[in-house]
Amino acid sequence: DTEVTQTPKHLVMGMTNKKSLKCEQHMGHRAMYWYKQKAKKPPELMFVYSYEKLSINESVPSRFSPECPNSSLLNLHLHALQPEDSALYLCASSQELEPRDTQYFGPGTRLTVL
Amino acid sequence: AQKITQTQPGMFVQEKEAVTLDCTYDTSDPSYGLFWYKQPSSGEMIFLIYQGSYDQQNATEGRYSLNFQKARKSANLVISASQLGDSAMYFCAIKIWGSTLGRLYFGRGTQLTVWP
Repeated sequence: DTEVTQTPKHLVMGMTNKKSLKCEQHMGHRAMYWYKQKAKKPPELMFVYSYEKLSINESVPSRFSPECPNSSLLNLHLHALQPEDSALYLCASSQELEPRDTQYFGPGTRLTVL
Repeated sequence: AQKITQTQPGMFVQEKEAVTLDCTYDTSDPSYGLFWYKQPSSGEMIFLIYQGSYDQQNATEGRYSLNFQKARKSANLVISASQLGDSAMYFCAIKIWGSTLGRLYFGRGTQLTVWP
């Protein structure tokens, strides 16, 4: 089973709102990722967690705050977002960070910031 | 510098025909892995196939196969017997052994349309 789940599927929020995106996997993977994807573009890496520790932060603005409460869960807390943050947010997981390890993606959350 | 180049923004193929999606890459590291993903309009990125740089044989997975030409630094995806459900965006990506923490570098994608 290579399933990564994400909730919610769609989210509309105002610029003053605080919301969270959730990602879950039960494959025993120890690496988890957040990507942002604009329409017709490839995904852009935001954060990487390995063994629940933040390994990569791609200079993402602080209005995005990741959290990895345990090895199965990854959250992305959103606060004071801008309209240009509207995008598809994809979560992925892999066995570890080894080069051969395939990243498996969730269905994404479509975020609209008004 | 762009590590993955997909030169075909869009491709069209008739149902049941085969189609090749091009992917070239740029790395001086001899150790790397190449991945292809499919992204339908629903948004989910679906892993299709993997090719390691030291793999002796071209990878195959069902109707998907890789035409891997290491000297030319190309890893073209071949889809045989196209189906209407194959219509999607296809991304080629590379992971380089020496790079930081298994980072995936994506190409810009090719939009495939299968017509009846």
